[in-house]
Amino acid sequence: GAVVSQHPSRVICKSGTSVKIECRSLDFQATTMFWYRQFPKQSLMLMATSNEGSKATYEQGVEKDKFLINHASLTLSTLTVTSAHPEDSSFYICSWDTQETQYFGPGTRLLVL
Amino acid sequence: QKEVEQDPGPLSVPEGAIVSLNCTYSNSAFQYFMWYRQYSRKGPELLMYTYSSGNKEDGRFTAQVDKSSKYISLFIRDSQPSDSATYLCAMKGQAGTALIFGKGTTLSVSS
Repeated sequence: GAVVSQHPSRVICKSGTSVKIECRSLDFQATTMFWYRQFPKQSLMLMATSNEGSKATYEQGVEKDKFLINHASLTLSTLTVTSAHPEDSSFYICSWDTQETQYFGPGTRLLVL
Repeated sequence: QKEVEQDPGPLSVPEGAIVSLNCTYSNSAFQYFMWYRQYSRKGPELLMYTYSSGNKEDGRFTAQVDKSSKYISLFIRDSQPSDSATYLCAMKGQAGTALIFGKGTTLSVSS
């Protein structure tokens, strides 16, 4: 199957700092990708939809100025959590759309102290 | 009524059992149907995907889609302890659109 990587796999940061999460599709290209957040024992929550070269579309309640998405190529997208606070601690997962399905990354665990 | 309904379980079976997981949905526009397996603290892993109605088999896994009943199933034969995970059904109407997920069914296979 298709391979998606995320880096870092886990990060701990201080409150007020910014954290960048990188998501790559390693063996395929795709125009559309998605960022999700998942809290313990809960379902995946869609944060935003991103098309390469366009501004991302954010779900209701997700602050676009806090969660910056850069999607500059068909294989790379980044999510920057700006001025992180403890409530931003969560599991962040990216996925890439390949028309018939979507492939997910392994996730990034963020802990904000 | 939620767009996708999935019994969260938990479902506990002995090793070697046949497991049946299913989801119902309400939106007739859905065309692409997927099953993912998610282990704790990991991203969802794609198990099967199907376009429109029909059956698809891959090893111990069989996916079925019945669009007339708006019902999809995943069967796991000869279940193993390593199959213990949360299983998510997901679907979408068109390419490039976001997936709609079920809540996930937690499966435990005991040896």
